[in-house]
Amino acid sequence: IAGITQAPTSQILAAGRRMTLRCTQDMRHNAMYWYRQDLGLGLRLIHYSNTAGTTGKGEVPDGYSVSRANTDDFPLTLASAVPSQTSVYFCASSRAASSGANVLTFGAGSRLTVL
Amino acid sequence: GQNIDQPTEMTATEGAIVQINCTYQTSGFNGLFWYQQHAGEAPTFLSYNVLDGLEEKGRFSSFLSRSKGYSYLLLKELQMKDSASYLCAVFDSNYQLIWGAGTKLIIKP
Repeated sequence: IAGITQAPTSQILAAGRRMTLRCTQDMRHNAMYWYRQDLGLGLRLIHYSNTAGTTGKGEVPDGYSVSRANTDDFPLTLASAVPSQTSVYFCASSRAASSGANVLTFGAGSRLTVL
Repeated sequence: GQNIDQPTEMTATEGAIVQINCTYQTSGFNGLFWYQQHAGEAPTFLSYNVLDGLEEKGRFSSFLSRSKGYSYLLLKELQMKDSASYLCAVFDSNYQLIWGAGTKLIIKP
């Protein structure tokens, strides 16, 4: 089934540990995104990639890094996790970043708890 | 700053009609989206408006007024499965998506 796969589904992490959230899509979409979703707040963009080999910072990039070595994969790394990074993380993709009807397809999400 | 406002929560009765409003103040406008998100799941696309007027898609319709910075999502013949959060999002002039916090819709029998 075409779509986006995220892993892990859920993780509890000690503060200070390094963590990579994985995201893979099989739709050959050019653009990919990482969002975090917290109660009472809208989805907030962490990092994005308009095409393989390029990345950009979103609204809340501090403490996170990404890479886009190929079209399909877009991992998100927390170098040294802090409790404020406790959240649900969604990976998403779209055919092209700067087009009007840019419909996003989302992964199922990764629930991360930092203690 | 850029801002999108939606009611936090709404309650409606099965079989009825509900209108979820969204107002926005953004730097430019390149389209407005509505997404549906069931609890514990990913958002899924519902509708896209870029021109003023009403877009109808089955039981769901979405309206846009660019001059008023206003949109609404209309859900008819409500079903229990429509219980979900509804997210409004606007593409600004830089094609950055600005998201509202979402409206949690509770359907009662």
